[in-house]
Amino acid sequence: QVLLVESGGGVVQPGRSLRLSCAASGFAFNNFGMHWVRQAPGRGLEWLAVISFDGSSNHHRDSVKGRFTISRDNSNDTLYLQMNSLRADDTAIYYCVKESSGWTKYLENWGQGTLVTVSS
Amino acid sequence: EIVMTQSPATLSVSPGERATLSCRASQSVSSNLAWYQQKPGQAPRLLIYRASTRATGIPARFSGSGSGTEFTLTISSLQSEDFAIYYCQQYNNWPPWTFGQGTKVEIK
Repeated sequence: QVLLVESGGGVVQPGRSLRLSCAASGFAFNNFGMHWVRQAPGRGLEWLAVISFDGSSNHHRDSVKGRFTISRDNSNDTLYLQMNSLRADDTAIYYCVKESSGWTKYLENWGQGTLVTVSS
Repeated sequence: EIVMTQSPATLSVSPGERATLSCRASQSVSSNLAWYQQKPGQAPRLLIYRASTRATGIPARFSGSGSGTEFTLTISSLQSEDFAIYYCQQYNNWPPWTFGQGTKVEIK
């Protein structure tokens, strides 16, 4: 079955960087687009970024453009999120999500998430 | 960006009763609408896609309807495990993929 395991979260000071990883298994990773979605404490879900199956294209939400970068390594079935210039309002659980196949792309399978806390 | 609005924010329902949750899009999203369930301390789980198609393993008591800008998630007879937060999400116009703010279904 599809398994997505995030890692790399933790406590980081404002202005510092962090890289999240997501190890994928149970499906053909190189055939699917992948997303990052976050959830601040007690808040709703916020889509952050998507990358195409082959890594040739990506999109980021406006509020993280220039600070966050999504990437992937298909040889190791791993998704990444590089987060720079972190701010207190980036504190959240970060979820790795596999999108559906086909043209319409809903968020089909979710990892358990990794908590990022930005605090001095 | 398409704005998704869910109502009510909180729904108090007794076990065995029917729950009806609403989701409205700021412009048409056709049938490209998904519903997710999130229990405390857990990741969201896909319930419904294409507005009315149940995801694998989702019980038949969950049903979705609607198209365009108005959508409904119905839980026909609430079980104890159904008390959770439910989010709608559009995937018709992206990026960004956008979520509603959630409806919390609580025990009455």
